[in-house]
Amino acid sequence: GESVGLHLPTLSVQEGDNSIINCAYSNSASDYFIWYKQESGKGPQFIIDIRSNMDKRQGQRVTVLLNKTVKHLSLQIAATQPGDSAVYFCAENPSGTYKYIFGTGTRLKVLA
Amino acid sequence: NAGVTQTPKFRVLKTGQSMTLLCAQDMNHEYMYWYRQDPGMGLRLIHYSVGEGTTAKGEVPDGYNVSRLKKQNFLLGLESAAPSQTSVYFCASSSRPNTEAFFGQGTRLTVV
Repeated sequence: GESVGLHLPTLSVQEGDNSIINCAYSNSASDYFIWYKQESGKGPQFIIDIRSNMDKRQGQRVTVLLNKTVKHLSLQIAATQPGDSAVYFCAENPSGTYKYIFGTGTRLKVLA
Repeated sequence: NAGVTQTPKFRVLKTGQSMTLLCAQDMNHEYMYWYRQDPGMGLRLIHYSVGEGTTAKGEVPDGYNVSRLKKQNFLLGLESAAPSQTSVYFCASSSRPNTEAFFGQGTRLTVV
């Protein structure tokens, strides 16, 4: 596997329960946000995104919430499955830049 | 559906040796990025490119050089490898700012 965060915060969730992963972003000028999932030995994989003119966006089993007042982003996963076990990263894109700034990640463990 | 392809996948270098990591994308994306991933630190941007023939420094550019001679390729060079450059390197591409970035599978580099 790859070296993805030996000291990452870890969220352990029972299979079938809902998961909530939180992220505090740094730049108040950021206007685009992405959640990525990274499985062992693989590159980050897009899950869902949201623009700053929205506060909620839903996908298949996932919902992203954006609170610009406190610069907070969350990812909700409904009915968590074993295949959801991975490291999850939020990323922000400051307005007018081409860069994506990543958070340090959260490891999600799904318990059978 | 190749997407973003990185070569090599693994490499061990001795201190002071040089090497080039190749990233190729087949999605006709304008923007390409090189990140490094270290334990507990998320992904950090090394260099990026906003189009063929252009490059720019990211957050941690020291010790690296890049070139974008062709739109589909983005090369990352280490002129004189140091143990501090031991990391997992990811290349990514996107069609424009404020949109999803697609990642390669990563290159695990160890400098001894």
